[in-house]
Amino acid sequence: NAGVTQTPKFRILKIGQSMTLQCAQDMNHNYMYWYRQDPGMGLKLIYYSVGAGITDKGEVPNGYNVSRSTTEDFPLRLELAAPSQTSVYFCASSFDSGAGTDTQYFGPGTRLTVL
Amino acid sequence: AQSVAQPEDQVNVAEGNPLTVKCTYSVSGNPYLFWYVQYPNRGLQFLLKYITGDNLVKGSYGFEAEFNKSQTSFHLKKPSALVSDSALYFCAVGGLEGGYNKLIFGAGTRLAVHP
Repeated sequence: NAGVTQTPKFRILKIGQSMTLQCAQDMNHNYMYWYRQDPGMGLKLIYYSVGAGITDKGEVPNGYNVSRSTTEDFPLRLELAAPSQTSVYFCASSFDSGAGTDTQYFGPGTRLTVL
Repeated sequence: AQSVAQPEDQVNVAEGNPLTVKCTYSVSGNPYLFWYVQYPNRGLQFLLKYITGDNLVKGSYGFEAEFNKSQTSFHLKKPSALVSDSALYFCAVGGLEGGYNKLIFGAGTRLAVHP
């Protein structure tokens, strides 16, 4: 199993450009998540999905959009990039047992810089 | 408000000495507690978790953590540190309301093990 994969690893955007961060998992997990990691701030949840066709906002959703057309894929879209979106983005997945005890598995991250 | 605190930005320890990375939490109900490790330019890797039962939890790479309900703490420990343990460590709490395996992360503690 590849686990959780993310592309690209690095990207530099100009203000106002758009891009999609790709995330895929091969563990047949129903839950998927997008986090951003800013220095000294821990991880903040952007969006999450409980299954194909179902997504919802996390703590910091503004400026982002997501879709989940398949179990495996959960892309994150930035429509109008802003310097405040400079961050490291992590995708994660988990299999939900309904108990809230499930381990999340993380991808290697995408380092995004907006200039 | 629900929160997780890691009071030390950095912990320095000599190789072979015991290490402790501190974590305290503030949540209602019974929390589920997690430790993750992040090596440079990598995603987060799961170390261990406490759900219920024995307060001492053993995890990967020789790490363990002790759940203390009265002190609302979940400190990460290792009897003998290795240089290769140098990384960024995150404490997280789950089992929260929200219905999506919500995790709240601490800001992280950088562990530096010196030869």
